[in-house]
Amino acid sequence: RKEVEQDPGPFNVPEGATVAFNCTYSNSASQSFFWYRQDCRKEPKLLMSVYSSGNEDGRFTAQLNRASQYISLLIRDSKLSDSATYLCVVNRGGGSNYKLTFGKGTLLTVNP
Amino acid sequence: GAGVSQSPSNKVTEKGKDVELRCDPISGHTALYWYRQRLGQGLEFLIYFQGNSAPDKSGLPSDRFSAERTGESVSTLTIQRTQQEDSAVYLCASSPYYQETQYFGPGTRLLVL
Repeated sequence: RKEVEQDPGPFNVPEGATVAFNCTYSNSASQSFFWYRQDCRKEPKLLMSVYSSGNEDGRFTAQLNRASQYISLLIRDSKLSDSATYLCVVNRGGGSNYKLTFGKGTLLTVNP
Repeated sequence: GAGVSQSPSNKVTEKGKDVELRCDPISGHTALYWYRQRLGQGLEFLIYFQGNSAPDKSGLPSDRFSAERTGESVSTLTIQRTQQEDSAVYLCASSPYYQETQYFGPGTRLLVL
């Protein structure tokens, strides 16, 4: 099983749609979880951290299920500017908290 | 404030040549990371520096790869005797002391012919 696995997509959705991305991770020692976004030919940027209780930031909601080792990101009311690759990121834990493992990303295209 | 900067932004080299990539972290950030991102792939961890501690080099793919950092300033990633499989985007990131959020530079796109 890969350390961090994501559906590569692409997801093509119309503006205003709700879209959900899923991610699974294999390292049960992982303690911190993030979603980054990466625009085409740009560097990754932190979108949001993911907390055990779930958290929301505007149109974005992240959920964590430690028992299933599963993370999700929900985007409501999609905008054209949401088009990007969404990277699921997990820390290694176990004394290597500074090491982050990046998924390959899920490509989202929001169409007018 | 200024973000992470990297130079050059693009580098084309011939197989067998050495290349040097530079990263300027955000001022005051003690941690610095190098990653490699091949086309269509995820980020691969290469090396981690934290202040004056010994770096974690566990991600370097071969002894042709090395990196240096003096204190909490500039870092240089050197690839000796480049191979075509070294072609990738090399990303540098920095973070404040023992915080996990990483701030990335724009990357250096390396093409080995």
